[in-house]
Amino acid sequence: QKEVEQDPGPLSVPEGAIVSLNCTYSNSAFQYFMWYRQYSRKGPELLMYTYSSGNKEDGRFTAQVDKSSKYISLFIRDSQPSDSATYLCALRGSTLGRLYFGRGTQLTVWP
Amino acid sequence: SAVISQKPSRDICQRGTSLTIQCQVDSQVTMMFWYRQQPGQSLTLIATANQGSEATYESGFVIDKFPISRPNLTFSTLTVSNMSPEDSSIYLCSVEEGQLNYGYTFGSGTRLTVV
Repeated sequence: QKEVEQDPGPLSVPEGAIVSLNCTYSNSAFQYFMWYRQYSRKGPELLMYTYSSGNKEDGRFTAQVDKSSKYISLFIRDSQPSDSATYLCALRGSTLGRLYFGRGTQLTVWP
Repeated sequence: SAVISQKPSRDICQRGTSLTIQCQVDSQVTMMFWYRQQPGQSLTLIATANQGSEATYESGFVIDKFPISRPNLTFSTLTVSNMSPEDSSIYLCSVEEGQLNYGYTFGSGTRLTVV
């Protein structure tokens, strides 16, 4: 079983839709949860990070962590064509620990 | 955030040859990381490079195949040696940003095709 599972998609939605991206994990030691966005032919860029359980909101983006279910989500409201990218979840156990990445979900938002 | 310059951005190489990828950071960082990203797969950590010490390799990666240099706090190289088509991938360097966001900053990557 992989440390982090993420449905690779692809996911295609119309502009303005609410997008839900998800990852599950198996190791309860993970404490830090991140979402990266990767545009084509670019490196991943950090989008959101969350420590422990709960929600965090930043503009149109909301990151949600449910440690009891080992489930993390990223919600994108009022999605835009510029949100079209691959979204990767990343988890780590401590500030000194390595990152574990999901496979990434490819998202297309069409006008 | 740190700015990372990675070169080359892409290359097509012959089987059996070697390619050295360079990673330059605009600030001093303790740890630099090298990742491989194969199509449809998650990022896989190859090794961690600390200045002044041997790189630490992850399971499945060896120094003879992926030698790494880290001569100072702003620069590192990864060499992919004796390449085969299975080495075709995107290679990324990254640095840890520090306590504020617990995340990594990545370079734009090197897209390698071995023919």
